Amino acid sequence: EAGVTQFPSHSVIEKGQTVTLRCDPISGHDNLYWYRRVMGKEIKFLLHFVKESKQDESGMPNNRFLAERTGGTYSTLKVQPAELEDSGVYFCASSHWRRGQETQYFGPGTRLLVL
Amino acid sequence: ILNVEQSPQSLHVQEGDSTNFTCSFPSSNFYALHWYRWETAKSPEALFVMTLNGDEKKKGRISATLNTKEGYSYLYIKGSQPEDSATYLCAPHDGNQFYFGTGTSLTVIP
Repeated sequence: EAGVTQFPSHSVIEKGQTVTLRCDPISGHDNLYWYRRVMGKEIKFLLHFVKESKQDESGMPNNRFLAERTGGTYSTLKVQPAELEDSGVYFCASSHWRRGQETQYFGPGTRLLVL
Repeated sequence: ILNVEQSPQSLHVQEGDSTNFTCSFPSSNFYALHWYRWETAKSPEALFVMTLNGDEKKKGRISATLNTKEGYSYLYIKGSQPEDSATYLCAPHDGNQFYFGTGTSLTVIP
């Protein structure tokens, strides 16, 4: 069984540009989460999808961030326009539906650097 | 927002030593607690999911306990090996979302 995959693995962009991150969860997993780790800080929750619906997006920092999960399969996280403070590692995780008590499987992350 | 503290922040032990570290969280609104093992340049790997007060879980040389009334969990590693070197993260869930601690960075010296 393939794990959670994320693309790209690294992205270096200039302030003001747009970047789109992609996450492919484990097949059959209804739950998909996005997290971010800014250097030296803890991993922070961004949002949670159940299938194609946004269950909780309270962690999204501002309206420059837009997440979608078309058809309840893969998800994209777009940052537009990117700012310096958006630099960090963006993780995606997926799990079966059993809120909070399910094992989450993390992807390898996308390392974003905004210059 | 749920404040999660992990201690110590980092730890160096000799191969063969046993060690433990702590995850503290508010005892109210507790729903579940997850422990993860995170190696540099890799993704966090789930170790345990704990839900009940008094839970004890074990996987090989690693075990964990949970006290939801006082708001803490301990992770124990018996006979540490160099391959145990990693950052260990805890993440309580309050029924809505996960809150991650900053982790305990363990280095096992051969």
